[in-house]
Amino acid sequence: GAVVSQHPSRVICKSGTSVKIECRSLDFQATTMFWYRQFPKQSLMLMATSNEGSKATYEQGVEKDKFLINHASLTLSTLTVTSAHPEDSSFYICSASSGAKNIQYFGAGTRLSVL
Amino acid sequence: QQQVKQSPQSLIVQKGGISIINCAYENTAFDYFPWYQQFPGKGPALLIAIRPDVSEKKEGRFTISFNKSAKQFSLHIMDSQPGDSATYFCAATRDDKIIFGKGTRLHILP
Repeated sequence: GAVVSQHPSRVICKSGTSVKIECRSLDFQATTMFWYRQFPKQSLMLMATSNEGSKATYEQGVEKDKFLINHASLTLSTLTVTSAHPEDSSFYICSASSGAKNIQYFGAGTRLSVL
Repeated sequence: QQQVKQSPQSLIVQKGGISIINCAYENTAFDYFPWYQQFPGKGPALLIAIRPDVSEKKEGRFTISFNKSAKQFSLHIMDSQPGDSATYFCAATRDDKIIFGKGTRLHILP
């Protein structure tokens, strides 16, 4: 099956620093990648959708200057949380699709803790 | 406005029993209904999915029942096992977006 690798699995950083999370499709070309945020015991909330080579589309209420998304190749997308603050602490999950966008393969997630 | 409503929020089932999770949706434009299984600290994994022109789909111990007229669908886990203990999300898709339900935390008693 399609494999999506997400790195790192866990990161702890100081307030004010920036953190980069990588999402890679290992065995398929991902034309579209998605970034989600999940708070404890809650559902996944879509943050943004990115297509290879073009700017990401952000959901309402998501600050694009805060959460920088780059999708430079068909196998890699990155999410950078800039000037992280404790309220940015959350579980971030990426997913990728290769064609039918309603079929998404998810990464294992990244637990971000901002001190 | 919650587009996909899921219940119950949590569920405890004896080993060997049937686990049933229900979902309802409002938007008739949804065209694909997947169920995801998520273990703690992991991303969700696609479990089983159905399209609205089908009333039932079975894969092993997992069955989706779909009622288009009622705009409801459910997941049945037969012969539930402790390893099935996880959070289950129903979802509905439209265009390129997945709309998730709030999740059901399932615990199977050994």
